[in-house]
Amino acid sequence: SQKIEQNSEALNIQEGKTATLTCNYTNYSPAYLQWYRQDPGRGPVFLLLIRENEKEKRKERLKVTFDTTLKQSLFHITASQPADSATYLCALDPMDSNYQLIWGAGTKLIIKP
Amino acid sequence: EAGVTQFPSHSVIEKGQTVTLRCDPISGHDNLYWYRRVMGKEIKFLLHFVKESKQDESGMPNNRFLAERTGGTYSTLKVQPAELEDSGVYFCASSQDPWGSAPEAFFGQGTRLTVV
Repeated sequence: SQKIEQNSEALNIQEGKTATLTCNYTNYSPAYLQWYRQDPGRGPVFLLLIRENEKEKRKERLKVTFDTTLKQSLFHITASQPADSATYLCALDPMDSNYQLIWGAGTKLIIKP
Repeated sequence: EAGVTQFPSHSVIEKGQTVTLRCDPISGHDNLYWYRRVMGKEIKFLLHFVKESKQDESGMPNNRFLAERTGGTYSTLKVQPAELEDSGVYFCASSQDPWGSAPEAFFGQGTRLTVV
């Protein structure tokens, strides 16, 4: 079946280090993939979008890569801070979809001071 | 600029009752989406409006769910009658140009629905 997988276990990172989160998908050929941040009791907040013809996208301390051969996206936060602690979700829009975002379950990131 | 707002933030109702959730998208966003997250599961798509028209409602669980977007502005999602399995967080989102230059979606804070 078609699905997206994100690390279900929380990721604990020391402040200042780079946090890397993984998003793997199967049976899709997405036009683009998005990363969101979600804090408890809040809705997802859009962070970055990367298209199928892009290998890498950056925004400040954030970097996303997209490998359509491996069917994987990596999300990096450099110089991590405790304020970066949140759940990070990846979502993709299959090429043949009318904008039905398919979501991963999210990875909880904890940045320790 | 105001973001996507949802009302109420929480709702507790008894099985068999009716509940109506409201979503006000960002002004100028023609595209409006409803999603649901059941406890412990990933967010699931429910439906997509373009202005007042339902572009895609393939994610709606059953005919107890009715979504409307009269006039292409705010949207309502009504659950009637509610069942226990309808409990979860209902998110609304809007976007400007999903197939073009601005596909990112902006989410509301969600409505936590608890059916007891």
